[in-house]
Amino acid sequence: ETGVTQSPTHLIKTRGQQVTLRCSSQSGHNTVSWYQQALGQGPQFIFQYYREEENGRGNFPPRFSGLQFPNYSSELNVNALELDDSALYLCASSLAGDPTDTQYFGPGTRLTVL
Amino acid sequence: LAKTTQPISMDSYEGQEVNITCSHNNIATNDYITWYQQFPSQGPRFIIQGYKTKVTNEVASLFIPADRKSSTLSLPRVSLSDTAVYYCLARQDTGRRALTFGSGTRLQVQP
Repeated sequence: ETGVTQSPTHLIKTRGQQVTLRCSSQSGHNTVSWYQQALGQGPQFIFQYYREEENGRGNFPPRFSGLQFPNYSSELNVNALELDDSALYLCASSLAGDPTDTQYFGPGTRLTVL
Repeated sequence: LAKTTQPISMDSYEGQEVNITCSHNNIATNDYITWYQQFPSQGPRFIIQGYKTKVTNEVASLFIPADRKSSTLSLPRVSLSDTAVYYCLARQDTGRRALTFGSGTRLQVQP
């Protein structure tokens, strides 16, 4: 069973640039959630995708957008990067209908905005 | 969503039992209590989940009293590798399935 993978591992961008982060969900999982984790804080929910559609969104501006593909992999896009966007971005996959709703997290992408 | 409150940090020694208590006074009837563990530079990992009474798995036990206003994660005989941040979450059973994390409890296990 393949776990959740994310790419790239680390990324450095400058203010105003755009970035795309990628996630491959665990085998058999059809739901993907993205979280932002600032240093020393708990992860904050950005949005969730199910069947290629956004299925819920946290308190993040529209410049944070995403996609889910037919194979359930996903992308997180952030436009007009700001310094405060520097964080660990986590992807988590789960199976819709799982009564425990356990989410399986990837190792994250560390984004630094200069 | 119910807000959870847990200690910022805890210290322990190898071989000891560690109990981390989480307060969730306004937990909803359909909320489950879920605990995740996170090591530095890694994503959180599911540990255990329960609704009421006691749940035990190979990693930990979770105690939830009848009023469900608090819960206690118990880690038996901790080792150095248990040093991590532990998050207590109240997970909604319906609707959006997002997880709402607080700041967690940083557990430091000493030799």
